[in-house]
Amino acid sequence: GAGVSQTPSNKVTEKGKYVELRCDPISGHTALYWYRQSLGQGPEFLIYFQGTGAADDSGLPNDRFFAVRPEGSVSTLKIQRTERGDSAMYLCASSLVGTGGELFFGEGSRLTVL
Amino acid sequence: GESVGLHLPTLSVQEGDNSIINCAYSNSASDYFIWYKQESGKGPQFIIDIRSNMDKRQGQRVTVLLNKTVKHLSLQIAATQPGDSAVYFCAETPGGKLIFGQGTELSVKP
Repeated sequence: GAGVSQTPSNKVTEKGKYVELRCDPISGHTALYWYRQSLGQGPEFLIYFQGTGAADDSGLPNDRFFAVRPEGSVSTLKIQRTERGDSAMYLCASSLVGTGGELFFGEGSRLTVL
Repeated sequence: GESVGLHLPTLSVQEGDNSIINCAYSNSASDYFIWYKQESGKGPQFIIDIRSNMDKRQGQRVTVLLNKTVKHLSLQIAATQPGDSAVYFCAETPGGKLIFGQGTELSVKP
C-alpha cells in the first residue's frame, strides 16, 4: 500500500497476556519508529530502527517491551505480561532518511488491557 | 528530561479567522522541527517542517515561524476552516528521534 499499515487496529487482551503489534512501513523507507500515545497526550517515543538495527531504544519503558525488524522492513512490537497501564494507542511511523526527515504515521493499533 | 511544551492547550476560533498555535522547545541541539495535525482516532499527519537554519517557512495556508533565541515555534493557519479542527503537535528532533509536545486542540466555530 501507499502508506504505513498497522495491524491489528484494535486489540483487547487480558492482564498478563502477550501481545504483538505489526507495522508495515512505506516501501523503501529505511527508518521506522514506534510511539505510544495515551488519551490527551502527545506521542511518546519508544524505539527507532535504521534498517534492521535499533538505533535508539531509550524510550522502551521496561524489559517487557521489545521490538524487532529482522529484514529491515516490517517491524513487530512485542509486549510481554501486559499490564493495564500498557493500554494506549501504539503508533508506527516510517521515514525515507531517518534523522531530519518527515515521518509518515500509520493509523495506530489501539491496545486495551483488561 | 527533554520536552516540548505548548503554551495553550485549547484554542477556539471563528471560521475564516487566522489561528496561531505556539510551542516552546527545550533542546538547543534540535535542528529540525515539524508540526503535525491529528484528528480523532487517526495517526498524526504532517503539516509543515522547518530546519534550524531558517526562521520562517510557508506552505498552503500555513506558516511556521522559528525563534531560536527563545526556543519558540509557532504555526499560523490562515482563513481557518472547520476541517482544520484537530489537535496540533509541534515536534523536535534532537539526535534522530522525534519528540512531541502535549498538543493544542483547535476548535473552529462555523
